[in-house]
Amino acid sequence: GNSVTQMEGPVTLSEEAFLTINCTYTATGYPSLFWYVQYPGEGLQLLLKATKADDKGSNKGFEATYRKETTSFHLEKGSVQVSDSAVYFCALANAGGTSYGKLTFGQGTILTVHP
Amino acid sequence: DTAVSQTPKYLVTQMGNDKSIKCEQNLGHDTMYWYKQDSKKFLKIMFSYNNKELIINETVPNRFSPKSPDKAHLNLHINSLELGDSAVYFCASSPFAEGAQYFGPGTRLLVL
Repeated sequence: GNSVTQMEGPVTLSEEAFLTINCTYTATGYPSLFWYVQYPGEGLQLLLKATKADDKGSNKGFEATYRKETTSFHLEKGSVQVSDSAVYFCALANAGGTSYGKLTFGQGTILTVHP
Repeated sequence: DTAVSQTPKYLVTQMGNDKSIKCEQNLGHDTMYWYKQDSKKFLKIMFSYNNKELIINETVPNRFSPKSPDKAHLNLHINSLELGDSAVYFCASSPFAEGAQYFGPGTRLLVL
């Protein structure tokens, strides 16, 4: 079955530091890959996505590249801000069969950014 | 204009009670989902509907019954609530399978 593994948190950084959150996956076929962000007390928001190998998703300074050869989709940001403090989820979705687009999530990584 | 809305936002109830959570989306999407987030933030799908038809039914107890009166609404009814049902329940929608999903704000259920 499908699975997603994220680096364990929590991750604590100072403002303007470089961020990497590792994500690797196991899936059949060619899934779409996503990063979602959950701010305290809120629902999940789509941060970025990639639908095929070598695609790069980007949004709000965050980037992730779909690497089929290493089955990875690592999230990066060059300079984090205090407002980036949140929980970040890596996820994948397969279409077809009994999957019908259901999202399989990683366990989430808590990011805290200090001034 | 809220894209995916859920009511109520908070729900505190006693063990053994029956409760419902409502979800509505105004995005015109065909597919809707229910997810459960436990206390460790882990998210797991429960159900998925496409155009009012049940598509995904994960290993969820029979006490949980989704209902979709039309493709813009997906409600979740829970019978005989148990302590272990305490969690945050998220509704989501997407325009098609494999498409990006848009989440509601969540319903925080606490069973005492």
